[in-house]
Amino acid sequence: DSGVTQTPKHLITATGQRVTLRCSPRSGDLSVYWYQQSLDQGLQFLIQYYNGEERAKGNILERFSAQQFPDLHSELNLSSLELGDSALYFCASSVEDRVRAEAFFGQGTRLTVV
Amino acid sequence: AQTVTQSQPEMSVQEAETVTLSCTYDTSENNYYLFWYKQPPSRQMILVIRQEAYKQQNATENRFSVNFQKAAKSFSLKISDSQLGDTAMYFCAFIGVGGADGLTFGKGTHLIIQP
Repeated sequence: DSGVTQTPKHLITATGQRVTLRCSPRSGDLSVYWYQQSLDQGLQFLIQYYNGEERAKGNILERFSAQQFPDLHSELNLSSLELGDSALYFCASSVEDRVRAEAFFGQGTRLTVV
Repeated sequence: AQTVTQSQPEMSVQEAETVTLSCTYDTSENNYYLFWYKQPPSRQMILVIRQEAYKQQNATENRFSVNFQKAAKSFSLKISDSQLGDTAMYFCAFIGVGGADGLTFGKGTHLIIQP
């Protein structure tokens, strides 16, 4: 158990819908990272938050947004869903602002868009 | 932008054998970190080993060691005395010191340990 909790574990939804994925980082970790793992694109970095502020942005679509709340949990919002958004979405956390040490990954949320 | 290439989509070895997974990367940065992550069927991403580019000594963690060749931009993972539990996807990953792009991952190598 990495200490990073992601909910839900599985999510099935229809095209055009909006979903919210939740991540609770390890106790004491201030950074949260979101990654998408798909068969086509592999593992891709989406976005990072550190202590409530956006720190880095990767290949995140405009239909996607994220935030980190004062209690440090984070949510990834995916809207106007398309079939191609079906993927495994990981959250990772680390103590530092940058991944110099280990980033601990959650077990992921499997999103299926039908 | 940096890229990470894993040229072996799948490898299979017998239990107790030694296996080496290849990884090459391309970057213009001088300071960075390299990682190997393991993803078993449970989907959990688990850090196997980490290397800091400014350290010449190769990292070692029990049965896992790396061969880091900075000039060649090569970062291979050696697993000694392989065990059935080592069966998993292995991903090589890179991040610059600035970390502005998060981790960049390779496509992965599916390692199968045969009994």
